[in-house]
Amino acid sequence: DVKVTQSSRYLVKRTGEKVFLECVQDMDHENMFWYRQDPGLGLRLIYFSYDVKMKEKGDIPEGYSVSREKKERFSLILESASTNQTSMYLCASSRPGQGHSGNTIYFGEGSWLTVV
Amino acid sequence: EDQVTQSPEALRLQEGESSSLNCSYTVSGLRGLFWYRQDPGKGPEFLFTLYSAGEEKEKERLKATITKKESFLHITAPKPEDSATYLCAVTHNAGNMLTFGGGTRLMVKP
Repeated sequence: DVKVTQSSRYLVKRTGEKVFLECVQDMDHENMFWYRQDPGLGLRLIYFSYDVKMKEKGDIPEGYSVSREKKERFSLILESASTNQTSMYLCASSRPGQGHSGNTIYFGEGSWLTVV
Repeated sequence: EDQVTQSPEALRLQEGESSSLNCSYTVSGLRGLFWYRQDPGKGPEFLFTLYSAGEEKEKERLKATITKKESFLHITAPKPEDSATYLCAVTHNAGNMLTFGGGTRLMVKP
């Protein structure tokens, strides 16, 4: 079974703090993703990575950065947390697509971040 | 621009009352359409992948079908434990990123 593990399930941080959200996958997947999920807005892609040290912006990268130093680990960084970054953050991973098939993307359990 | 629209937003069923959830999509070069189940406070759990029109997948009381414009998740004789939010998402030729619909919140009453 694929396992995507987000180390922190619930965090409360103060405005202006630097926040690290860690994600580890155990299936040797090349692709990793960070989403945030908000009521009424659904899941939105923040950043993704196709390989170690590679990163690409998603739909809402402002206020975030990422780090992928090892294949199995993808970190989301909030340089200076703000209240509008209070949300549920979801990490995901997948293999690259084969031909015209979209490969399955597996999600972690989520990290609930509250910024006060 | 890719668009995925799910309907209804919320659906209340009595236990045993079969129904269908709809996912309409507009995407250039569909690579895959995915159905996920999400329980409150948890990440989406993968259910099915559909790749081309006419394909069907089944798992217990759930059956997913797809045409060139939409996909349906049919729920036969649902039970209260089927209550969850069901998410539809697509990937297209440009890559492996998912575009999600807004989800359908299903509530099954005993």
